[in-house]
Amino acid sequence: AQSVSQHNHHVILSEAASLELGCNYSYGGTVNLFWYVQYPGQHLQLLLKYFSGDPLVKGIKGFEAEFIKSKFSFNLRKPSVQWSDTAEYFCAVISNRDDKIIFGKGTRLHILP
Amino acid sequence: EAQVTQNPRYLITVTGKKLTVTCSQNMNHEYMSWYRQDPGLGLRQIYYSMNVEVTDKGDVPEGYKVSRKEKRNFPLILESPSPNQTSLYFCASSLRGQGGGYTFGSGTRLTVV
Repeated sequence: AQSVSQHNHHVILSEAASLELGCNYSYGGTVNLFWYVQYPGQHLQLLLKYFSGDPLVKGIKGFEAEFIKSKFSFNLRKPSVQWSDTAEYFCAVISNRDDKIIFGKGTRLHILP
Repeated sequence: EAQVTQNPRYLITVTGKKLTVTCSQNMNHEYMSWYRQDPGLGLRQIYYSMNVEVTDKGDVPEGYKVSRKEKRNFPLILESPSPNQTSLYFCASSLRGQGGGYTFGSGTRLTVV
């Protein structure tokens, strides 16, 4: 069965620190990959997505993610975080065989001012 | 504005009293889905619909019903709510093939006492 693993449930960083959130998926076929962000009290919003082409994807607010097919990974990165990045981040995978999206369990990110 | 609209945003009800949470999208999306979000469990899919009159169970369908009589609407029905259905619920929609990823509604926080 398809699954998505996010390695860190809770991450605490200081402002200006660099961020990397891990995401691994288990599916052998062609996949589309997403990162969503949920700010406190709000709904999920799309941060970035990968369908094909350049495996390094740029998203909004300075975020980027790199698709490494051999490692089944799609890690989210940001060189210098801000207090406003405090949120929960969800990695998600969709296979090209069906339209079912599988979410990871999320990573809560706290940025200390 | 393209959006997914859920109502109500907040609801407190008593055990056994039937309720409906509405979801409507104005993007002509074929695919619609309901999720519940619980601490430590991430997002779990309740039901989804690939198109009008086509619905299918997700990972946690027990205690819920849905219908898709029109393309834009996908209501979630709790015939006899129980306290373990206290949760944050999100509706989402997308085009088939996930070209744009999912668009999420603002969420419905349900408390069953």
